[in-house]
Parts: sequence; C-alpha cells; structure tokens
Amino acid sequence: DAGVIQSPRHEVTEMGQEVTLRCKPISGHDYLFWYRQTMMRGLELLIYFNNNVPIDDSGMPEDRFSAKMPNASFSTLKIQPSEPRDSAVYFCASRTGTGKNIQYFGAGTRLSVL
Amino acid sequence: KQEVTQIPAALSVPEGENLVLNCSFTDSAIYNLQWFRQDPGKGLTSLLLIQSSQREQTSGRLNASLDKSSGRSTLYIAASQPGDSATYLCAGLSNDYKLSFGAGTTVTVRA
Repeated sequence: DAGVIQSPRHEVTEMGQEVTLRCKPISGHDYLFWYRQTMMRGLELLIYFNNNVPIDDSGMPEDRFSAKMPNASFSTLKIQPSEPRDSAVYFCASRTGTGKNIQYFGAGTRLSVL
Repeated sequence: KQEVTQIPAALSVPEGENLVLNCSFTDSAIYNLQWFRQDPGKGLTSLLLIQSSQREQTSGRLNASLDKSSGRSTLYIAASQPGDSATYLCAGLSNDYKLSFGAGTTVTVRA
C-alpha cells in the first residue's frame, strides 16, 4: 500500500482565501484523523472519523474549520476564511478498527497564510 | 485531559553513546503508549507501542518501558548512529481512542 496520501504538500495562500487540504487513508482503515502541528502547541488532534462519520470534532479551533469524509477513501479539511495564525503543518492519519491501534501518518501539508 | 511531557527538549550525543528519552503523562488510565519518530519535513513513523498491560517493548536497538503507576515511559536507543538523528515523540492513547502527544525530543547524533 502507498500509505496515507496527503495533498498538496505545500500550500501558500493569502489571508481570507479558502484552503482545502486532502487526504487519502490506507485502504481498509476504519478511522481517519486530522492533526495540526505548530511550534507553540505541538501536535493537536482536530477531528476524527470512524467509518466516514465524524466522531469527535472538539479539537477544531473555530467555525472557520470544517472537515468531511464523503467516502472511505477520501477526506478534506477546509479553512474558510484562512488567517495567518492557521499557518502550520496539517497531518492526516488512519488506522484499522482492530489490533493495536497504531496510527499511520501522511507526510503532511505545510500551510502558510500570508 | 491527558498532558504529556518530554524531557529533555533536545539532546546531542557522540555516535555510539546510548540514548535515554523520557516521557511523563498525567492520566494513568491510558490504553497504550506509543513512541514515534519524525524526520524534518516528514510525517510520523511509529516505532514502538506498549499496551497498558505491558511493561516494555523491544525492537532492535530500541527498548521502551512503561510504568503506569508513576506515569512514565522511557525510550532507550542503544549504540546511537547518525541516522538516529530525528525528533522522537511519545503519545498516550486514552480510552476514548484519542492520542495526546508530547512536544518531542530532538536528537542529534554526532559522527
């Protein structure tokens, strides 16, 4: 398997613009997680899905953030409108619903909001 | 809410020296404790996972211990190599299946 695939790898945008980050989990994985990593706050869980259903979105910072998982092989994280403080690396991870609960991470999307 | 702390924040050692990385957590009701490696500009790679019922796990030169009663885990890397240079993060999985991460220890192994 190719692992968790995120796109784009880098995104530079201007304040106020809409940003959409994409994630393709590992085939057969039931859980999908979105994280944000910053120097100040480290790695934070934003939201996670189980079988395409959002289970816990308590980490989503504001209403400007939204996430969807229309099917088992695709998820998006959208920021509208974007602000400079949203600049961070956003990671997607997935895991199976059984076994040791090991999460497999994508390479991340580095977002810069100017 | 689970709080995870890693000490030290950075570590520099000569090649061949053993590494000891520390992780502490506030909530002993963890499901498991995981150690990850992160290389610059890359995602996280799982190194070791210790279930709550276990005391340690080993993989090659890596050994991780878990003491739930004291809220501590330690990652040992034997005979360090320059290729071990990376940031190491520990994370506790709570019973609600959410991972809480420490800030990481950045390791530099000097050749």
